[in-house]
Amino acid sequence: AQSVAQPEDQVNVAEGNPLTVKCTYSVSGNPYLFWYVQYPNRGLQFLLKYITGDNLVKGSYGFEAEFNKSQTSFHLKKPSALVSDSALYFCAVRENTGGFKTIFGAGTRLFVKA
Amino acid sequence: NAGVTQTPKFQVLKTGQSMTLQCAQDMNHNSMYWYRQDPGMGLRLIYYSASEGTTDKGEVPNGYNVSRLNKREFSLRLESAAPSQTSVYFCASSEALGVDTQYFGPGTRLTVL
Repeated sequence: AQSVAQPEDQVNVAEGNPLTVKCTYSVSGNPYLFWYVQYPNRGLQFLLKYITGDNLVKGSYGFEAEFNKSQTSFHLKKPSALVSDSALYFCAVRENTGGFKTIFGAGTRLFVKA
Repeated sequence: NAGVTQTPKFQVLKTGQSMTLQCAQDMNHNSMYWYRQDPGMGLRLIYYSASEGTTDKGEVPNGYNVSRLNKREFSLRLESAAPSQTSVYFCASSEALGVDTQYFGPGTRLTVL
């Protein structure tokens, strides 16, 4: 069965510093991987996805993520954090085997301090 | 272009009461979904609709029913609310089932006393 893990409940980083939000996954076939962001009292917004091709995926708001097949990871990164990046981040995975169900991680709260 | 809209934004129910959560999308998407979000558990799929006229159970369907009224609208009904159904409910849509990006509504925060 497919699963996704976000090992950190919260990540704290100072504004201007690089940030990383971790995600690992388990699927039986090749994965489709996603990052979504949720601001307070809002629905989830799509940030980026990996389907195939280049392992480094660039998305909205300067975020990027690196697909690492050997480590089954898809960590979200940004070179320089902004206070406005503070939000709840969800990693999600879907199997590329004809199924459609997307499994979401429990979420990681990012707090960027000025 | 409003995207995905949900009503109401907030609701408080007593145990045993019923209610319907409404969802509509204006992106001409074929597939729609209902999720619930609970602290520390991510999003869990309640029901989904691959296309107009079809609905299927997700991970946690017990206590819920759905109706795909037309291509735009997908409602979620709680027939007899229980405290365990206290949660934030999100509706989402995508171009088709299995197509990657889902678009989410703003959510309904439901409390069952």
